[in-house]
Amino acid sequence: EVRLVESGGNLVQPGGSLRLSCAASEFTFSRYWMSWVRQAPGKGPEWVASINQDGSKTYYVDSVKGRITISRDNAKNSLFLQMNSLRAEDTAVYHCARHMIAASGTLFDYWGQGTLVTVSS
Amino acid sequence: AIQLTQSPSSLSASVGDRVTITCRASQGIGSGLAWYQQKPGKAPNLLIYDASSLETGVPSRFSGSGSGTDFTLTISSLQPEDFGTYYCQQFNGYPTFGQGTRLEIK
Repeated sequence: EVRLVESGGNLVQPGGSLRLSCAASEFTFSRYWMSWVRQAPGKGPEWVASINQDGSKTYYVDSVKGRITISRDNAKNSLFLQMNSLRAEDTAVYHCARHMIAASGTLFDYWGQGTLVTVSS
Repeated sequence: AIQLTQSPSSLSASVGDRVTITCRASQGIGSGLAWYQQKPGKAPNLLIYDASSLETGVPSRFSGSGSGTDFTLTISSLQPEDFGTYYCQQFNGYPTFGQGTRLEIK
């Protein structure tokens, strides 16, 4: 079965940096768009960033543009999220998610359980 | 960004009940809507996509309907394992999610 396992979450001070990783297995990682989706405590999910199959196209929610970078290493079946200039409002569980192509567009068919990022002094 | 508003925000129902959750989009999204179930500490699980298509492996008691701006998720006969929080998500443009509906089993 498809497996997505995130790591790298931690407590970090405002203005700090963090790099999240997602290890993918049991599917051909290089064939899929991937995304990071975060969930603040007690809130609904929020899409953060997406990357296409070869890493040549990336998209971000406005609130993270210029601070966060999504990347991937298809040889290692891994997805990354480099987070800089972190703010308290970035506090959330960060999930990696695989894209599914449906008739009406793309959505997320598999998610990892997530890694917790806490931004606090 | 397209906003999704779910109602109710929470509900309590008994095993065997028919349960309906609604999701309203701030602008028309055609059929570009999905529903997820999330249990505490777990990742969201895809139930419905394209507004009414049942994801493989999801029990047939779950169904979705709607198009444009108004959508519903229906559980025809509630089972004990159906507790959790349900989210709608639109994928007509940058994806956004509803705020969630927490379902409790009486």
